[in-house]
Amino acid sequence: SQQGEEDPQALSIQEGENATMNCSYKTSINNLQWYRQNSGRGLVHLILIRSNEREKHSGRLRVTLDTSKKSSSLLITASRAADTASYFCATYLIQGAQKLVFGQGTRLTINP
Amino acid sequence: DGGITQSPKYLFRKEGQNVTLSCEQNLNHDAMYWYRQDPGQGLRLIYYSQIVNDFQKGDIAEGYSVSREKKESFPLTVTSAQKNPTAFYLCASGRGEWEKLFFGSGTQLSVL
Repeated sequence: SQQGEEDPQALSIQEGENATMNCSYKTSINNLQWYRQNSGRGLVHLILIRSNEREKHSGRLRVTLDTSKKSSSLLITASRAADTASYFCATYLIQGAQKLVFGQGTRLTINP
Repeated sequence: DGGITQSPKYLFRKEGQNVTLSCEQNLNHDAMYWYRQDPGQGLRLIYYSQIVNDFQKGDIAEGYSVSREKKESFPLTVTSAQKNPTAFYLCASGRGEWEKLFFGSGTQLSVL
């Protein structure tokens, strides 16, 4: 079962521009997390936002969470070529066991 | 260095053969997970374990088996019953309830 859905599936921008990715989910959550995956590698945790938080920053990353709309967005400012990767949102379901469920991901390409 | 180690990086399976993927962590994490990733797709949960000698099926457990005899180790066996095993397999660990996950670098399994 896929809890989260990212939008867009793919995004291509010029270096220096901002990149925004969105995630929608279906059921109540404890927290929402964003991960990055470089091609052929494991995932790296970027940021965690709890259900009682609305916005969180980490360096060039800004994450927002709207629990009424069951959606989150990840903004990467001043993008760099090294930001080229796939980005996934993930959520733990409130009900049931401790399963972290991932979305399909957004493939971000930064053009020099 | 603390981390999570997967081996081998590449693995080939013959028809009717069982193969075992290794996952070891020295982060002293209680929870461990196995995910499957198909090309261009998100992660799907195979099995997870929250404590030694206990594990639960994820969303796509058929054709796979696991054991958790030690806190540090969570091997995954892909059995001959798994008819479409070609995929990228990712192991992860976490401190526990609602926490972020740390991922290994993955094992690419292919069928000969």
